[in-house]
Amino acid sequence: EVQLVESGGGLVQPGGSLRLSCAASGFTFSSYEMNWVRQAPGKGLEWISYITSSGTTIYYADSVRGRFTISKDNAKNSLYLQMSSLRAEDTAVYYCARERTAFGAFDIWGQGTMVTVSS
Amino acid sequence: DIQMTQSPSSLSASVGDRVTITCRASQSITSYLNWYQQKPGKAPKLVIYAASNLQSGVPSRFSGSGSGTDFTLTISSLQPEDFATYYCQQGFTFGPGTKVDIK
Repeated sequence: EVQLVESGGGLVQPGGSLRLSCAASGFTFSSYEMNWVRQAPGKGLEWISYITSSGTTIYYADSVRGRFTISKDNAKNSLYLQMSSLRAEDTAVYYCARERTAFGAFDIWGQGTMVTVSS
Repeated sequence: DIQMTQSPSSLSASVGDRVTITCRASQSITSYLNWYQQKPGKAPKLVIYAASNLQSGVPSRFSGSGSGTDFTLTISSLQPEDFATYYCQQGFTFGPGTKVDIK
């Protein structure tokens, strides 16, 4: 079964750090571009980061650039999001999503992991 | 940056109704437009990709059309399991969403 499973969310104080993981299974992870998308409580979807299949090209949303780092370990079939200098407005459910070859569609999503930034 | 808008922001409909949701891009995006369905507490699910292509496993009552700047998602006969929020997406930008609830 094609699957993505996120982990690593939790409660963190403002200014703190957290590392999210996304474990992939059921497909050739090394062949796919991957993304992180988040959703604040009661709000819409916000794309935050993208990485190519080999990890050579990376993009970030302005809202997280300089604070978040995406990485991909094809040997471990895992995607990561290192988050630092966290703010209250980073509170959200974080999803990893596989990007379908061509068309930029996110065809497989994880179940999401909740990150709460609060003192 | 390309901006995406959706209309309406919400709608109420009955089972069996034909429902149409519109997504507009601030500049031409050819056919690189995707649609997602999200139910409360769940991850989004890809419904339509490249404007008019039905994702595998999605019922045929869903269809998409459009190109350039204007796109539509149509549900031909709304079913109970279709009540959800629908988002369009182009590149790294999602539309604000359209909530479809029960009349």
